[in-house]
Amino acid sequence: DAKTTQPNSMESNEEEPVHLPCNHSTISGTDYIHWYRQLPSQGPEYVIHGLTSNVNNRMASLAIAEDRKSSTLILHRATLRDAAVYYCILNFGNEKLTFGTGTRLTIIP
Amino acid sequence: DTGVSQNPRHKITKRGQNVTFRCDPISEHNRLYWYRQTLGQGPEFLTYFQNEAQLEKSRLLSDRFSAERPKGSFSTLEIQRTEQGDSAMYLCASSDPGGDQPQHFGDGTRLSIL
Repeated sequence: DAKTTQPNSMESNEEEPVHLPCNHSTISGTDYIHWYRQLPSQGPEYVIHGLTSNVNNRMASLAIAEDRKSSTLILHRATLRDAAVYYCILNFGNEKLTFGTGTRLTIIP
Repeated sequence: DTGVSQNPRHKITKRGQNVTFRCDPISEHNRLYWYRQTLGQGPEFLTYFQNEAQLEKSRLLSDRFSAERPKGSFSTLEIQRTEQGDSAMYLCASSDPGGDQPQHFGDGTRLSIL
């Protein structure tokens, strides 16, 4: 499985944008880049995914580098409810998801 | 809300007992996954089904573990002769097939072994 590398933790002020980085230098051409987040005492929640182009949805934006070796999840205006562990995962064929330890995002009021 | 439902939410049992968890996926999804998560770690894959067929099992799934999805709808995960190391959150997810399809997770069953 291709691996991803994320910072262990990040902090951001409430109502500010947040940029969560992910490196995936061994990504293959058919791997989708998925982001999930997990709030305390809940199962992971799908956030966004993409293949080559940048993507936007109601929760976040995903910026994918031209060489696809890195990506950035962008939360445009962080709220306290965005405090969670964020996982960047490469997925081919929608089989098993391989989670790392993710980035623990703390939002400062 | 017709999301993924898991029961029970919590299970406390003595070492050596058998336990069974149930997962009801989103009704139109034909893929169903089981994961296990211990404190401070990300979820780890255990097994997955496409309809009633179990297509992959992790090496984490010892002989004491068995999963079924008899009619391609709900699934059960049974652990026999539980051990202290089985204490974890057991998560179920479902999806449509395809690399661009997200997995939708339930809130898990937390198992505590006394």
